[in-house]
Amino acid sequence: QQQVKQSPQSLIVQKGGISIINCAYENTAFDYFPWYQQFPGKGPALLIAIRPDVSEKKEGRFTISFNKSAKQFSLHIMDSQPGDSATYFCAVLIKAAGNKLTFGGGTRVLVKP
Amino acid sequence: DAGVIQSPRHEVTEMGQEVTLRCKPISGHNSLFWYRQTMMRGLELLIYFNNNVPIDDSGMPEDRFSAKMPNASFSTLKIQPSEPRDSAVYFCASSWEVTDTQYFGPGTRLTVL
Repeated sequence: QQQVKQSPQSLIVQKGGISIINCAYENTAFDYFPWYQQFPGKGPALLIAIRPDVSEKKEGRFTISFNKSAKQFSLHIMDSQPGDSATYFCAVLIKAAGNKLTFGGGTRVLVKP
Repeated sequence: DAGVIQSPRHEVTEMGQEVTLRCKPISGHNSLFWYRQTMMRGLELLIYFNNNVPIDDSGMPEDRFSAKMPNASFSTLKIQPSEPRDSAVYFCASSWEVTDTQYFGPGTRLTVL
């Protein structure tokens, strides 16, 4: 039962461009929306996270936007750099359902120099 | 500071053999998680512990999989007998509390021939 649908599966962007990744969720009771970044051969690492009472959060070149009515949240990578080339995962957590993180399918981002 | 430590990093075994994956969480973290990552199914939570006690093992695929956490600094994931479909990257993650940021280890790439 997939609770989080992530798109696109892959993305190619030129250096300096904007990368946009979207996630849609089904359940309205999620408590926490983290984004993880994974480089080849490494484990995922927390990039940025947002809670549902906040509509937007920005950390450096990374911004999360949250649309509660549409049940969507997205990651924007501004001024994309080749070092941003990685796989990005959105995730959702429901405290009332055992605090488990459910991950989206991942988006492979390639930033061309 | 040492992060989450997993061993071995790579494991190649033959079908039917027993496989044991090991994890040392970050010191002081109370929660430990085992994930499996495949191209087809993405990142899946297998089981998680809080204060060395298994809290949710609903993600464990079948009885061939078992996990233990005998103390706060060590956990194992065992597959017996192993099958080719178990081939995946297995990640261990830990956090201060269950709802806090999870820190992932580098993973163990398992290949079952």
